[in-house]
Amino acid sequence: GAGVSQSPRYKVAKRGQDVALRCDPISGHVSLFWYQQALGQGPEFLTYFQNEAQLDKSGLPSDRFFAERPEGSVSTLKIQRTQQEDSAVYLCASSLGQGSSNQPQHFGDGTRLSIL
Amino acid sequence: AQSVTQPDIHITVSEGASLELRCNYSYGATPYLFWYVQSPGQGLQLLLKYFSGDTLVQGIKGFEAEFKRSQSSFNLRKPSVHWSDAAEYFCAVAHTGFQKLVFGTGTRLLVSP
Repeated sequence: GAGVSQSPRYKVAKRGQDVALRCDPISGHVSLFWYQQALGQGPEFLTYFQNEAQLDKSGLPSDRFFAERPEGSVSTLKIQRTQQEDSAVYLCASSLGQGSSNQPQHFGDGTRLSIL
Repeated sequence: AQSVTQPDIHITVSEGASLELRCNYSYGATPYLFWYVQSPGQGLQLLLKYFSGDTLVQGIKGFEAEFKRSQSSFNLRKPSVHWSDAAEYFCAVAHTGFQKLVFGTGTRLLVSP
């Protein structure tokens, strides 16, 4: 597609429910990133994929967070047993390069997650 | 660890006036530096990037930024602000060889008529 697509745009869940957020990167982009953006803050790195391999998951805040990219294209971020502090905007980004920082990241519009 | 500081939370500029948004980074080696802009409800759009070479980089929408190694700064400038520039601006640094971005907390730009 023309850009990074994320769905849903908005998600409301009750505390304790599981949620799944989808990211469809730009076609042909090797690298895919997830970031979490709390209200009034800058995005914070969660995890990084190169094709289907999850090379860095150091930013995942707990074992309730899980991400996958099984075929090296679409990625899903799953949050189990959601808690109120999980409320944030989740941003997905993709880039063309393979582990080289000189390829800019292109961001989707994000999924706004609200936990009640 | 890398870090980025944007000391100004909010800035108000009159339309047509010049703009400078400050960014300081902490990083041991030569950083890769970026400025992104975020409009409400939108993702981040890349304005410009610095990897190496000329320390004054030009970006989209008339923005430019200057890398000053001695000051660990990468300030964003625009000579004449338009009302459509009102948004949140984020400075970010990437570790050489890795793509993970570390962002500042952002500066919200308000443009007054």
